[in-house]
Amino acid sequence: QSALTQPRSVSGSPGQSVTISCTGTSSDIGGYNFVSWYQHHPGKAPKLMIYDVSQRPSGVPDRFSGSKSGNTASLTFSGLQAEDEADYYCCSYAGPFTHYVFGTGTKVTVL
Amino acid sequence: QVQLLQSGAEVKRPGASVKVSCKASGFTVTGYHMHWVRQAPGQGLEWMGLITPNGDVTLYAQRFQGRLTVTRDTSTNTLYMDLSRLTSEDTALYYCAKETAAAGKEFDCWGQGTLVTVSS
Repeated sequence: QSALTQPRSVSGSPGQSVTISCTGTSSDIGGYNFVSWYQHHPGKAPKLMIYDVSQRPSGVPDRFSGSKSGNTASLTFSGLQAEDEADYYCCSYAGPFTHYVFGTGTKVTVL
Repeated sequence: QVQLLQSGAEVKRPGASVKVSCKASGFTVTGYHMHWVRQAPGQGLEWMGLITPNGDVTLYAQRFQGRLTVTRDTSTNTLYMDLSRLTSEDTALYYCAKETAAAGKEFDCWGQGTLVTVSS
């Protein structure tokens, strides 16, 4: 099972809207509505930002939103902030044989 | 407070095994699927395996089949990951993670990570 494909990096100015894509297949993203996104500062514990494609856990700012179309999921920052600078990983449930697959990761830089 | 506290860094020789622990507090491991995820240097996150709430089923990523064993001790509320026949490619930061709920497919609490270095 290959990792889900994410852009290696994205950048934006404070206040700008930025979107990260996460492309999989019909066996993972396209087959289930179980896409989650994690914010990760290297060496620290990842933090859940989005689950079930578009749901936000309590405490996650509403400038973070998730969506899915076909085999591609997206994480959007509506108004990028300095503290959003981190690595972001998507993850999808992939059925009873593969179970879970993570994305390749995207480094978000705030200019 | 829901928390996962992992054991300290390990250095192992190629061919050896490593066992990493993950002590849960603020919840009981018998109530949730518990997972292990790793991150090799310069690489992304990789799902390794899980143990079900009642402990009767373990599921592993195909590439770790036969080398990975996930167990738990309910008396101490601790999760364990045992990885055998280590190679340099197993050098990574290993995380335990708690699944949100019985029907959830996401991880809402993670340990701080345990660095395992495999070197001769």
